[in-house]
Amino acid sequence: KNQVEQSPQSLIILEGKNCTLQCNYTVSPFSNLRWYKQDTGRGPVSLTIMTFSENTKSNGRYTATLDADTKQSSLHITASQLSDSASYICVVTTTGTASKLTFGTGTRLQVTL
Amino acid sequence: DAGVIQSPRHEVTEMGQEVTLRCKPISGHNSLFWYRQTMMRGLELLIYFNNNVPIDDSGMPEDRFSAKMPNASFSTLKIQPSEPRDSAVYFCASSLWGSSGEKLFFGSGTQLSVL
Repeated sequence: KNQVEQSPQSLIILEGKNCTLQCNYTVSPFSNLRWYKQDTGRGPVSLTIMTFSENTKSNGRYTATLDADTKQSSLHITASQLSDSASYICVVTTTGTASKLTFGTGTRLQVTL
Repeated sequence: DAGVIQSPRHEVTEMGQEVTLRCKPISGHNSLFWYRQTMMRGLELLIYFNNNVPIDDSGMPEDRFSAKMPNASFSTLKIQPSEPRDSAVYFCASSLWGSSGEKLFFGSGTQLSVL
């Protein structure tokens, strides 16, 4: 069964600090992995996409990594800001005639002063 | 572009009533998705359409749920009769499937409360 597991479930950090969110998946066959950011009361917004051959990709202060061998991804946030407070959702897409998305349940990040 | 537009933003209804959620996808997108989000289960796919045709409705909980896409610019999700366990946030998303790595653009959601 295709699954995506994220850790931690929730995280509180001080403004300015770095943090890393984890995503482990058992989705097969693999097509790509996206990280979405979901602000409270809003729909998710895509941050990054990574395909099988990519190891790392950055989007401003967000850096995603992918290890396709161990089926793990991480999202690193540098110099966190209050506006980074949100849920971060890992989504893995399968290939094939019926491409499907498998969603993780997300990590809720709170950045405080 | 205004993005994916959902209405209403909030809906409070009594058990047994019919509820209709509406979605206008981004112009030019060929796929539309309905998701339900709860704290316990996260985002769950209910149904998705490709070129207005329902492709996978295996996530629709039961016959009380139905979805239509009469044209490329409009879709509805209907719950009849509604039950308290249907309370959740319902998201509509659209994409240009087959490009951009299946990037979904989500609406702001409808917060449904069934009393």
